[in-house]
Amino acid sequence: QVQLVQSGAELKTPGSSVKVSCKASGGTFSTYAINWVRQAPGQRLEWMGGIIPKFGAANYEPHFQGRVTITADESTTTAYMEVTSLRPDDTGVYYCARGGRGAVAAKFDYWGQGTLVTVSS
Amino acid sequence: DIVLTQSPGTLSLSPGERATLSCRASQPVHSNFLAWYQQKPGQSPRLLIYDASRRATGIPDRFSGSGSGADFTLTISRLEPEDFAVYYCQQYATSVTFGGGTKVEIK
Repeated sequence: QVQLVQSGAELKTPGSSVKVSCKASGGTFSTYAINWVRQAPGQRLEWMGGIIPKFGAANYEPHFQGRVTITADESTTTAYMEVTSLRPDDTGVYYCARGGRGAVAAKFDYWGQGTLVTVSS
Repeated sequence: DIVLTQSPGTLSLSPGERATLSCRASQPVHSNFLAWYQQKPGQSPRLLIYDASRRATGIPDRFSGSGSGADFTLTISRLEPEDFAVYYCQQYATSVTFGGGTKVEIK
């Protein structure tokens, strides 16, 4: 059974950075995409980007390109998502989700529990 | 980007009734690469349907998906108490986008 376990809630000030982790277990890590999805309070799901660990290069939704960095460590089966220059409207729950085998754009069949990031002065 | 519009925004129904949720795309979704998710308050989304009509593992058969091209439908044949939630559609044909969601609430 695939499990994705995310790091805990974060409280950040505007202009700072946050890095959220997603530890995968129970499946093949290297060839399945790990995606990141944001949900602002009361809002829809927003795809941020994804990575196939074996290939290393991430794909980003244009809105997030430049401020978001997605990486993966095959040795620890952990994916990371970092957001820099945080703004109050970055507040929300950030989810990691498993995508397709060899494809970032796919159905998301397993999800992490979510990490609440609050940006406030 | 493909924009997904879900309707209605809120559906008020009673247990045992049939729910029909719509998801319309701004352009055809090739290969019907469309999925549906259920999300309850405080929980992560759960995959229900993928490739427009295939049920995910462990999903009850009261959930069904249909449609093609740019118009898709999620049907819940008889609502159970645990089905009251928000439902999202997602296309993964061209990058990834989600619809705005439909809330199914108890009437």
